[in-house]
Amino acid sequence: DVKVTQSSRYLVKRTGEKVFLECVQDMDHENMFWYRQDPGLGLRLIYFSYDVKMKEKGDIPEGYSVSREKKERFSLILESASTNQTSMYLCASLQSSGANVLTFGAGSRLTVL
Amino acid sequence: KQEVTQIPAALSVPEGENLVLNCSFTDSAIYNLQWFRQDPGKGLTSLLLIQSSQREQTSGRLNASLDKSSGRSTLYIAASQPGDSATYLCAALLVSPLVFGKGTRLSVIA
Repeated sequence: DVKVTQSSRYLVKRTGEKVFLECVQDMDHENMFWYRQDPGLGLRLIYFSYDVKMKEKGDIPEGYSVSREKKERFSLILESASTNQTSMYLCASLQSSGANVLTFGAGSRLTVL
Repeated sequence: KQEVTQIPAALSVPEGENLVLNCSFTDSAIYNLQWFRQDPGKGLTSLLLIQSSQREQTSGRLNASLDKSSGRSTLYIAASQPGDSATYLCAALLVSPLVFGKGTRLSVIA
């Protein structure tokens, strides 16, 4: 089974801090995604990547950046955390061919004080 | 732009009941449709994936159907159990990335 691992389940940061959320997948998937999930708003796509060093903006990229230096790792960066970025962050990966099953990590709950 | 809608937003049923969750999408040219389960505070777990060429998929007590012409998918849960309580989301793949519905929160009462 594909495994998507998010390095931190819970983080508490202060306003203005730089935050790194790491995601690693072990099945050589080309596509990786970062979503945030908030009550009543559902899943919203922040950024995604089709390949190493490639990135595309999703629906809500403001205040975020990403890095994909290796195929298995996709990092989400909050350059200067703000309280409105308190949320659940979910990473997912998807193979470009075959069954195209989207596989999620366990999520990272970020609280910005 | 593809939109995915799930109705109802919440559903409460007694244990043992058979139930249907609904998912509708606006663009019928989808590549596949995927159903997920999410427990509180956790990530999403894939339940079933239906390719555009298929009409349904089954896994245990779950059966998902797809009608592209009407833009609808249903998730049927047979003989519901309290352990089925969770939020169920559907997602349509037209071109990557997937478009998600907001989910149906299911409570199965013992």
